[in-house]
Amino acid sequence: QQQVKQSPQSLIVQKGGISIINCAYENTAFDYFPWYQQFPGKGPALLIAIRPDVSEKKEGRFTISFNKSAKQFSLHIMDSQPGDSATYFCAAKSWRSRLTFGEGTQLTVNP
Amino acid sequence: GAGVSQSPSNKVTEKGKDVELRCDPISGHTALYWYRQSLGQGLEFLIYFQGNSAPDKSGLPSDRFSAERTGGSVSTLTIQRTQQEDSAVYLCASSFSSSDYRTDTQYFGPGTRLTVL
Repeated sequence: QQQVKQSPQSLIVQKGGISIINCAYENTAFDYFPWYQQFPGKGPALLIAIRPDVSEKKEGRFTISFNKSAKQFSLHIMDSQPGDSATYFCAAKSWRSRLTFGEGTQLTVNP
Repeated sequence: GAGVSQSPSNKVTEKGKDVELRCDPISGHTALYWYRQSLGQGLEFLIYFQGNSAPDKSGLPSDRFSAERTGGSVSTLTIQRTQQEDSAVYLCASSFSSSDYRTDTQYFGPGTRLTVL
């Protein structure tokens, strides 16, 4: 059972554009939503995370938007750069469940 | 400080052979996880170790897969009688197991790329 669904599978954006990756979850017990970034040949690394008591969290060019009623959250990368080219995973967790990952989005930012 | 290390970085084996993959977690981290990442796929949970507790093996795909963690530190994932569908990147992660589960960040190693011919 896939509890966290992520889209799109791949995304191509021009330098300076906005990259948007969407995730939806089913388990209403989830209360922590991190995003991981993975570069080729490396393991995923925590990028940014949000709790459901806020609707938005921003760190630099990266913003998470959270819609609790719709059970959806998204990652926005503003002013996308070629160095942002990587695979991005959304994830979700509750006090009684381990981290559950989405399928991943391969982002390519063209110069 | 040193991060999570995994060895070997690449492993090519023949169908039917056994393989062992090693993970050295960050010192002081009591939780250790193994994941499998197939080409273009997400992270598939395999097994979870927490301190001296019995491991959570619920993600192991078959009885050909096993893992152990010695002395609460180094872990070895063993795949017996490898099959071509076992080809994937095997990732290890560790965490401190802080009291706030939400901020208990998992730190990943670079993975072992397994190719079964």
